[in-house]
Amino acid sequence: DAGVIQSPRHEVTEMGQEVTLRCKPISGHNSLFWYRQTMMRGLELLIYFNNNVPIDDSGMPEDRFSAKMPNASFSTLKIQPSEPRDSAVYFCASGKEGANVLTFGAGSRLTVL
Amino acid sequence: GESVGLHLPTLSVQEGDNSIINCAYSNSASDYFIWYKQESGKGPQFIIDIRSNMDKRQGQRVTVLLNKTVKHLSLQIAATQPGDSAVYFCAESLVSGNTPLVFGKGTRLSVIA
Repeated sequence: DAGVIQSPRHEVTEMGQEVTLRCKPISGHNSLFWYRQTMMRGLELLIYFNNNVPIDDSGMPEDRFSAKMPNASFSTLKIQPSEPRDSAVYFCASGKEGANVLTFGAGSRLTVL
Repeated sequence: GESVGLHLPTLSVQEGDNSIINCAYSNSASDYFIWYKQESGKGPQFIIDIRSNMDKRQGQRVTVLLNKTVKHLSLQIAATQPGDSAVYFCAESLVSGNTPLVFGKGTRLSVIA
């Protein structure tokens, strides 16, 4: 198994631009999580899905952030418009519903200038 | 919500010595705990986990200890190696798996050769 696959690995964009981060979970995992990592706040949960349905999005910072999971093998996290304070590493993780262990992707490092 | 914290943000140990990384948790309802290792440029990787009905669990060169009385968790690494240099995170949730992992801020372990 290739593990959780995230793209892009690095993105540099200008303030105001739209950013789309992508994630392919491990086949057979039906829970998917988006986390954001910064030096100041550590790993923060943004949103998670069970069986493609968003369960808890209370961690999404504001309306500029949105996430979708159109099918079991793909999810996106979109920021529109992006701001410098959105600069962080965004991780996608997947797991089996009801299980605790999550497998993380390598992350997408976002820099907003 | 309640969160997981760490006593020591950085730890330096001599190669071959044992390492102990500590973590305090505040949510008394948590009954599942997990340690992750994050190397530079990578996503967190699962190390070991423990349920609250146990006080100790051993893996390969790693041991997790849980003290529910004082809400304290520790990760012991035996015969620390340069490859152990990384940031270590503890996280908590419920065994039921219906709540996502809440991560602490992390401790950086540096192994001195």
